[in-house]
Amino acid sequence: EVQLVESGGHLVQPGGSLRLSCAASGFTLSRYWMTWVRQAPGKGLEWVANIKEDGTEKYYVDSVKGRFTISRDNAKSSLYLQMNSLRAEDTAVYYCATLRGYSAYDCFDYWGQGTLVTVSS
Amino acid sequence: DIQMTQSPSTLSASVGDSVTITCRASQTISNYLAWYQQKPGKAPKLLIYKASNLESGVPSRFSGSASGTEFTLTISSLQPDDFATYYCQQYHNYFYTFGQGTKLEIK
Repeated sequence: EVQLVESGGHLVQPGGSLRLSCAASGFTLSRYWMTWVRQAPGKGLEWVANIKEDGTEKYYVDSVKGRFTISRDNAKSSLYLQMNSLRAEDTAVYYCATLRGYSAYDCFDYWGQGTLVTVSS
Repeated sequence: DIQMTQSPSTLSASVGDSVTITCRASQTISNYLAWYQQKPGKAPKLLIYKASNLESGVPSRFSGSASGTEFTLTISSLQPDDFATYYCQQYHNYFYTFGQGTKLEIK
């Protein structure tokens, strides 16, 4: 059974940093593009970042470019999101998800349960 | 960026009804369109991919269609479990965008 379990979310002050993790099991992580999607409280879904199977390609939504870094460790079956210079508008539940196929041009079929990041003083 | 305009934002219906949700893309997306269902406090669930393909395990009362840059999700014979929020998503390029969501409520 495919499982994605996020962790690392908590309350952080504006300007602070946080590293989210996503532990994958039940499938071979190294075969898939992976993604982070966030959802602010009471709002819709927003794609955040993508990473290729081998980590050689990464893409970000404009609002997090230069502040967030997506990475992965296939040997540890883990995906990460390093978030720096956090702002109040980064407050959201962050989900990791797998891309359905073997391409960046695909939708997201398996999702974790999410981890809440709150940026507030 | 490709904008996805989803309507309506809220929809009230009864068990057994058939409903349609629409999503319009700001430019051609070659049917790279997915639909998700999300319940409160839960992760989204993939329902439809490539505009009209039913994800494995999703009931056949869900269907998707496309006409140019306009896409529809139809749920026939609504069941109690279907009351949720629905999102469309384009994946025509790396910068995926979602519609604003449609909350399907019980009338």
